[in-house]
Amino acid sequence: KAGVTQTPRYLIKTRGQQVTLSCSPISGHRSVSWYQQTPGQGLQFLFEYFSETQRNKGNFPGRFSGRQFSNSRSEMNVSTLELGDSALYLCASSLGGASNSPLHFGNGTRLTVT
Amino acid sequence: DAKTTQPTSMDCAEGRAANLPCNHSTISGNEYVYWYRQIHSQGPQYIIHGLKNNETNEMASLIITEDRKSSTLILPHATLRDTAVYYCIVRFIIQGAQKLVFGQGTRLTINP
Repeated sequence: KAGVTQTPRYLIKTRGQQVTLSCSPISGHRSVSWYQQTPGQGLQFLFEYFSETQRNKGNFPGRFSGRQFSNSRSEMNVSTLELGDSALYLCASSLGGASNSPLHFGNGTRLTVT
Repeated sequence: DAKTTQPTSMDCAEGRAANLPCNHSTISGNEYVYWYRQIHSQGPQYIIHGLKNNETNEMASLIITEDRKSSTLILPHATLRDTAVYYCIVRFIIQGAQKLVFGQGTRLTINP
């Protein structure tokens, strides 16, 4: 079974631009969540989607948004990029709804904002 | 939010058992303990999880104390490839929504 796939693997953007990251979950997984990882803040939760609905959101500004499609694939968008948005963005999928259903992570998209 | 506390770093000799402790004293009854590890430039890899009982799989064993306030991840025969940052996480559900709260993890170094 294929794992969680994130594209692109690397991105370089300029301040003020916007970016869209993509995540394809493991087949059959309906929950997709996104995390930001930086050296200073560690792994921080962004949001979670289940059956195309956002179920939970972390403490990030409105410039960070996401969506989930009917096939469970998800995208996240960051508008008006700032230097501090440089990070590894991780997507994780799970069957959803149960605490004992493990999350499986992709290898992330490394975003560099210059 | 339940929080976890782990040592910042640990060393272990190759071939020996690596025992990684985690404190989660504020855990509540329906929250699971999860362990992940992350090798540089890769996403976190799921290792094992448990609620009350000890668990074992092909990668590791998880020992949870009876009061559930702490746990230990055991890698029975550590290899150099086990060098990674290990995260102990308490996973909870709020109104059907789930999220993981990651601490800073333990940087485990396996020495030859």
